[in-house]
Amino acid sequence: SQTIHQWPATLVQPVGSPLSLECTVEGTSNPNLYWYRQAAGRGLQLLFYSVGIGQISSEVPQNLSASRPQDRQFILSSKKLLLSDSGFYLCAWSPRVGNTEAFFGQGTRLTVV
Amino acid sequence: AQKVTQAQTEISVVEKEDVTLDCVYETRDTTYYLFWYKQPPSGELVFLIRRNSFDEQNEISGRYSWNFQKSTSSFNFTITASQVVDSAVYFCALSEAVTSGTYKYIFGTGTRLKVLA
Repeated sequence: SQTIHQWPATLVQPVGSPLSLECTVEGTSNPNLYWYRQAAGRGLQLLFYSVGIGQISSEVPQNLSASRPQDRQFILSSKKLLLSDSGFYLCAWSPRVGNTEAFFGQGTRLTVV
Repeated sequence: AQKVTQAQTEISVVEKEDVTLDCVYETRDTTYYLFWYKQPPSGELVFLIRRNSFDEQNEISGRYSWNFQKSTSSFNFTITASQVVDSAVYFCALSEAVTSGTYKYIFGTGTRLKVLA
């Protein structure tokens, strides 16, 4: 069966520090991968998606970047965090075949102080 | 552009009451999928249902039921005899094709349901 792992679960970082959140998927090949952000009390905003290694599409201009160095690994990064980067970050995957639901990781709660 | 609207920000009901969560969508695609997810306090999104745009039959799963009406672009979710464990944020979502085999998921802003004992 497929599983998705996302870490860390919580993170407190000072303004101006770098960020690296990692997500890996097991039990499937060539998945679509996604990073979403949920600001406090708000909906889910799609940040990035990827259809393959090295292929990243950005949905909104921001202080963040994403990379996909391996087929089932998706990384969210920032060189210098802003206060506005605080939020709940969710990684998700979906199969490349068919229009199915996305499956989500457990999320990372990031607080920038 | 694709859009999902969940006009109800927060709903409070007393246990055993029925409650309906509304979802209205906009899409230019002729084929699409609609979804409902549940987000309990732990934060993880739990998939509840997927509905194909060509299938307008209502679906029932235990205390949960879904009413898909293409004519009004709505996909509403009803919980019958609500329980405290149903307390969560519920998201409606719409798929948008970006390439062959790849879809984006457009989410509404969610409805927070509080079921009071």
